[in-house]
Amino acid sequence: QVQLMESGPGLVQPSETLSLTCTVSGFSLTSYNVHWVRQPPGKGLEWMGVMWSGGSTDYNSALKSRLSISRDTSKNQVFLKMNSLQSEDTTTYYCATGPYNWFAYWGQGTLVTVSS
Amino acid sequence: DIRMTQSPASLSASLGETVNIECLASEDIYSDLAWYQQKPGKSPQLLIYNANSLQNGVPSRFSGSGSGTQYSLKINSLQSEDVATYFCQQYNNYPRTFGGGTKLELK
Repeated sequence: QVQLMESGPGLVQPSETLSLTCTVSGFSLTSYNVHWVRQPPGKGLEWMGVMWSGGSTDYNSALKSRLSISRDTSKNQVFLKMNSLQSEDTTTYYCATGPYNWFAYWGQGTLVTVSS
Repeated sequence: DIRMTQSPASLSASLGETVNIECLASEDIYSDLAWYQQKPGKSPQLLIYNANSLQNGVPSRFSGSGSGTQYSLKINSLQSEDVATYFCQQYNNYPRTFGGGTKLELK
């Protein structure tokens, strides 16, 4: 079955770069698009960007200058890198996917805290 | 960006009651709308897609309706396991955008 699992450092220093990995199973990265979505504690959801099945990317313009999404199809992994982290980037980060335009499958999320 | 305005922000209802949650898009999204349920400490789960199609495995007491800019999620005969926060999301355009959420509690 389709599964996604986010992994990352948990704690990042202010102004540093965040690196997260979404490891997927049950589908091919060349078939489904994989999105990144984040959610501050107790707040709403923000779409960050997408790795298209064809290998290109799109980003939320609000984050575009700091964000990079890439993948390794041989390892079934999608990567997120975001630089210049600040306290407002303390959120839970999710990867999500599905065969259509809605997000039928989500990872369990990984909480990243930005603090010195 | 398409703005999604959800109402109410919070809602208290009794077991067995019918609940309605509204979602208003800032422009026509042509029924490209999904509803998600999120329980505390968990990731969102898809309930409804294409405004009114029930995701496999979701109880039939959940239903969606609407068109154009106005959409709603209805929960019939509220159960204790329905206590959660509900989000709408448009996928008509990028960036994908979500409503602010409706927190549903038991009265």
